[in-house]
Amino acid sequence: AQSVTQLGSHVSVSEGALVLLRCNYSSSVPPYLFWYVQYPNQGLQLLLKYTSAATLVKGINGFEAEFKKSETSFHLTKPSAHMSDAAEYFCAVSDETGGGNKLTFGTGTQLKVEL
Amino acid sequence: GAGVSQSPSNKVTEKGKDVELRCDPISGHTALYWYRQSLGQGLEFLIYFQGNSAPDKSGLPSDRFSAERTGGSVSTLTIQRTQQEDSAVYLCASSHPTSGGVGEQFFGPGTRLTVL
Repeated sequence: AQSVTQLGSHVSVSEGALVLLRCNYSSSVPPYLFWYVQYPNQGLQLLLKYTSAATLVKGINGFEAEFKKSETSFHLTKPSAHMSDAAEYFCAVSDETGGGNKLTFGTGTQLKVEL
Repeated sequence: GAGVSQSPSNKVTEKGKDVELRCDPISGHTALYWYRQSLGQGLEFLIYFQGNSAPDKSGLPSDRFSAERTGGSVSTLTIQRTQQEDSAVYLCASSHPTSGGVGEQFFGPGTRLTVL
């Protein structure tokens, strides 16, 4: 069975500060990992994905994430937060083993950006 | 091109009634997924369709839930005899698996279901 843990249901940063959203996974097979963002009253939008290529993955809107197998982590970072980054962020895992690409999501982290 | 669309955007129903939620995937996408997003359970996988294969129903919470996909395109999620715990946002996603890779899932805006 696979699972995802997101530490911190709410994170608050100042505009211009570093954003760090934590994600740890559990998977019995090499995982595929994803970060999605959800703006209010909207669906999920893919930020980036890890599919066993480069361990440092760059996504949209200046976000990036690093896959660390030894730590079973896939933390999301952005060097400088912008007000428009305020949203809910979800980490997800898929093992793509005959079950299609169904995703198992973490519980989400609400990011607040303050002036 | 158009993204994934879902209808209705909001649905309020009375306990015990049946509801149907519709999803129009992106044209050409062979895979279609339903997820449920609720306050108590977060985001949960419900069911997955891939081409003409038998659907993966492993996430459906009870036999009151069913889904079909007609002609490999539009999908309908049906909830019979709705209960208050069915209140949630139901999200649909579609993808086109890439060779040697994992197809990105594109999500619709969701249907917010409220069971009174």
